[in-house]
Amino acid sequence: AQSVTQPDIHITVSEGASLELRCNYSYGATPYLFWYVQSPGQGLQLLLKYFSGDTLVQGIKGFEAEFKRSQSSFNLRKPSVHWSDAAEYFCAVAPNTGFQKLVFGTGTRLLVSP
Amino acid sequence: EAGVAQSPRYKIIEKRQSVAFWCNPISGHATLYWYQQILGQGPKLLIQFQNNGVVDDSQLPKDRFSAERLKGVDSTLKIQPAKLEDSAVYLCASSIQGAVILYEQYFGPGTRLTVT
Repeated sequence: AQSVTQPDIHITVSEGASLELRCNYSYGATPYLFWYVQSPGQGLQLLLKYFSGDTLVQGIKGFEAEFKRSQSSFNLRKPSVHWSDAAEYFCAVAPNTGFQKLVFGTGTRLLVSP
Repeated sequence: EAGVAQSPRYKIIEKRQSVAFWCNPISGHATLYWYQQILGQGPKLLIQFQNNGVVDDSQLPKDRFSAERLKGVDSTLKIQPAKLEDSAVYLCASSIQGAVILYEQYFGPGTRLTVT
């Protein structure tokens, strides 16, 4: 069965520093890949998605993610973190054949220190 | 454009009681989803509607959970009777159509349910 692993439960980054959140997936074929952000008291918002082509994907709010097939990874990055980026980040996958539904990882909570 | 609306935002009930959550999707969105998000976990799809028909309810505990989407617009998710393990945030989402790679899902703020 497909699964998504986010190995870091919490990450603390200083404001202005770079950020990388890890995501690994387990699936027979390369699935579609997504990153969502959930701010306190709000619903999830799509940051970016990958389904084919260029392995470096640009998203909203200055985020990008890189798909690495050899490592089954889809890590999220941002060169300079702002205090408003503090939130929970979820990686998700969906199969690229048949019925498509999102399977989410357990999330990584990002804390931003001044 | 108005987003996905959910009510109530918070609900506390005792085990064995019943509870209902309401969702109003974005106007014109044919697909509606209900997710369960237990603390420390990612959202899990409970049920997906296409208009007023069920597309997938494979992870819905049908002995206690039920959902409907009359007229293909608003939806209600019910739990009867509730168990302690049902404590979670229940998220509603909608999209224009159901192909996740093509159509973004827009999420509501969720209903936080506490079962005591």
